Amino acid sequence: TQLLEQSPQFLSIQEGENLTVYCNSSSVFSSLQWYRQEPGEGPVLLVTVVTGGEVKKLKRLTFQFGDARKDSSLHITAAQPGDTGLYLCAGLGNAGGTSYGKLTFGQGTILTVHP
Amino acid sequence: DAGVTQSPTHLIKTRGQHVTLRCSPISGHKSVSWYQQVLGQGPQFIFQYYEKEERGRGNFPDRFSARQFPNYSSELNVNALLLGDSALYLCASSLVPGRYEQYFGPGTRLTVT
Repeated sequence: TQLLEQSPQFLSIQEGENLTVYCNSSSVFSSLQWYRQEPGEGPVLLVTVVTGGEVKKLKRLTFQFGDARKDSSLHITAAQPGDTGLYLCAGLGNAGGTSYGKLTFGQGTILTVHP
Repeated sequence: DAGVTQSPTHLIKTRGQHVTLRCSPISGHKSVSWYQQVLGQGPQFIFQYYEKEERGRGNFPDRFSARQFPNYSSELNVNALLLGDSALYLCASSLVPGRYEQYFGPGTRLTVT
């Protein structure tokens, strides 16, 4: 069974601060996706990282995939109240494995940015 | 282009009843997956369908079943509802399983009383 440990579970910061969310696993994933979810809505895809060591930037958000494709991080610079929400990492199972095509999600990080 | 659509938006059922949830994927997407999200947790994989065939099943009891239609839309059925089935049920579509990102619908909020 593939598991993803996401930390921290809760994060409450002031506007302008930086933060990092971590996603770790003992399993190798073919890709890792980060989603943001608002209350009562479905997750919205932010980014997909595929190659070990890959770094992707989306405005103030920086996503990194570990060299061994087992872990990932999301770094937000100068957080704003509009960044408030639930952030989810999800690993896509490898071809040939029992988890192929299946997304395994972390528990999520609830981020609150205070003005 | 329309995204993934799900119906109904909200549903209240009583223990022991049956429920059917529906999903229409993004146009051109042939794979549909179902996830259950209990409050405070990340989504848990239930089923994946591709070209009308089941391609994956998560660790859920046989009370849960699904199917995919020729137009690639899908239904999730849950029999003999339990209080613990209360959750947000999410549908995700992708071009094909395994190689492409999955895009989620808004979900169906099921409450079992």
